[in-house]
Amino acid sequence: EIVMTQSPATLSVSPGERATLSCRASQSVSSHLAWYQHKPGQAPRLLIYGTSTRATGIPARFSGSGSETEFTLTISSLQSEDFAVYYCQQYHRWPPLTFGGGTKVEIK
Amino acid sequence: QVQLQESGPGLVKPSETLSLTCAVSSYSISSGGYYWGWIRQPPGKGLEWIGTFNHPGITWDNPSLKGRVTMSLDTSQNQFSLKVTSLTAADTAIYFCARVTTPGGDWPYFDYWGQGALVTVSS
Repeated sequence: EIVMTQSPATLSVSPGERATLSCRASQSVSSHLAWYQHKPGQAPRLLIYGTSTRATGIPARFSGSGSETEFTLTISSLQSEDFAVYYCQQYHRWPPLTFGGGTKVEIK
Repeated sequence: QVQLQESGPGLVKPSETLSLTCAVSSYSISSGGYYWGWIRQPPGKGLEWIGTFNHPGITWDNPSLKGRVTMSLDTSQNQFSLKVTSLTAADTAIYFCARVTTPGGDWPYFDYWGQGALVTVSS
């Protein structure tokens, strides 16, 4: 099973600032990495797939990068609606599909 | 926009079977082209994949659930369902259903999700 580790667990950021979230895989997942945004009581939303491709309707301030075992989600200028929990997911070697533990982005 | 909505009992007794349904709107599941799946989130924890299946009925589930999972599709109602047997308190979680995109058939990720249904396992 590929273990996904996200850091930090919590990120405190002021609106308008840049946020950088990390995701590490226990072995290579090639580029088969997705990012999701989740707000309490709402459906999780796909942000990024294939490491760096934005899903339909996702603003350009969200970008993904990385390869193999190290990945990054960057939010260039945080908006109020971006405060949420973010999860990475590998889909390279499965079953099982595995998620990271999440990074909570909170208002500083 | 594709929408999914989970439904089921909020409270289930230990050792019993959980049954959940996911109603899909704005997309006909009989059209094919996508897989369907379930994910859960125990209280205060992250996301755990439960299983994924496709229209012909091929299923993949998380080995951690030790074969307790059954998934099926009901094209007449445009919905799909999940059953988890032999429940314990550890199965208490928010259960999400999702549509699964699989480029090339091998690389599945979740492009649309439901809002989730809280299931508590308690006597």
